[in-house]
Amino acid sequence: GQQVMQIPQYQHVQEGEDFTTYCNSSTTLSNIQWYKQRPGGHPVFLIQLVKSGEVKKQKRLTFQFGEAKKNSSLHITATQTTDVGTYFCAARPYSGGGADGLTFGKGTHLIIQP
Amino acid sequence: EPEVTQTPSHQVTQMGQEVILRCVPISNHLYFYWYRQILGQKVEFLVSFYNNEISEKSEIFDDQFSVERPDGSNFTLKIRSTKLEDSAMYFCASRETGDEQFFGPGTRLTVL
Repeated sequence: GQQVMQIPQYQHVQEGEDFTTYCNSSTTLSNIQWYKQRPGGHPVFLIQLVKSGEVKKQKRLTFQFGEAKKNSSLHITATQTTDVGTYFCAARPYSGGGADGLTFGKGTHLIIQP
Repeated sequence: EPEVTQTPSHQVTQMGQEVILRCVPISNHLYFYWYRQILGQKVEFLVSFYNNEISEKSEIFDDQFSVERPDGSNFTLKIRSTKLEDSAMYFCASRETGDEQFFGPGTRLTVL
């Protein structure tokens, strides 16, 4: 089945430093979504990328989708303590059927030291 | 703001017992999902449901699992004979026609 690989598994940063997590797939993706899960919480949708080479920004967060639609990244500028949590990429297969479930990466746990 | 709700928040059961996890998706949503997350691990897709039938299921969703939408609001996941390895957080999710899936708060299932 489809797999998405996500690195790093853990990232420790000082508050104010930048953070990046990367997601890779061996197959072409129809789109990629990013979710955030706070400790003890549930996944919360952040964004979806659809187009080859797409870049989207949400305040301090920048999301990119690779030209070949096989990789994606999430970059946070100047991290704050509220950014703590696990960031997951999630993909649907290329066929993109209407009710397909998402395949999640293993997530990157962001730990911020004040 | 509408949200997905799940009950119970925590279920403890003995191995071999049946459990039913309940979800109330957002009212105008059309697609429903169950995922599970073993502690500290990634979220895994179990099953999707649309138009009153299963649309897709993963390898995890074997004959021990079933889903039902018994009325216009509830969406349930039944595990017939629980195993120790079924211990996990189970998330229900729903979506309308867009791609964003809205997750519920989860039910933590502990199998002893």
